[in-house]
Amino acid sequence: AQKITQTQPGMFVQEKEAVTLDCTYDTSDQSYGLFWYKQPSSGEMIFLIYQGSYDEQNATEGRYSLNFQKARKSANLVISASQLGDSAMYFCAMRTLYSGAGSYQLTFGKGTKLSVIP
Amino acid sequence: GAGVSQSPRYKVAKRGQDVALRCDPISGHVSLFWYQQALGQGPEFLTYFQNEAQLDKSGLPSDRFFAERPEGSVSTLKIQRTQQEDSAVYLCASSFKPGTEAFFGQGTRLTVV
Repeated sequence: AQKITQTQPGMFVQEKEAVTLDCTYDTSDQSYGLFWYKQPSSGEMIFLIYQGSYDEQNATEGRYSLNFQKARKSANLVISASQLGDSAMYFCAMRTLYSGAGSYQLTFGKGTKLSVIP
Repeated sequence: GAGVSQSPRYKVAKRGQDVALRCDPISGHVSLFWYQQALGQGPEFLTYFQNEAQLDKSGLPSDRFFAERPEGSVSTLKIQRTQQEDSAVYLCASSFKPGTEAFFGQGTRLTVV
């Protein structure tokens, strides 16, 4: 079984500042993927960034970076230079990477609501 | 279409009524997922299709929930005899092939009164 824990129900950040959203995970799999999604009020889940368990370097995508600490089972999202449009719910998720594991469904955390203050 | 399309966007149902939620995945996408997102929670997996085959339905909460994808493209999630605890956003996602990035629709918000 896989489990994602996001301990911050809500976060505030000043515009143009950096913010870190916490995510810890638990799995018995050796090969897995970690994801971050953004969900604005419109409801759509927007993919932000991906990290594979065997990737040695932390993933980066523009202003997003994933601080992956495998031994601590954490996969924190760092957003640099926050913008007003970053205000949304953010979900950490994971899935197995084993082929034949079935459906590759994602397991999500409860999310963190980020509010960017002008 | 360019993205995953779900309809209706909003549905209000009286308790006991049957509902059908539609998902149009991205053209050519083999994998299709349904998730249920209760208020203030993250999405939870319901079921998975690979083409027309329903390979995993382990997340369906009861036998009142039924999903189909008869021609391997459009999928319908049906809920019979709706109850208040069924109120949630139902998200559909598709991916080009198993294990690749999943793209989500905007969801259908179901309210059972």
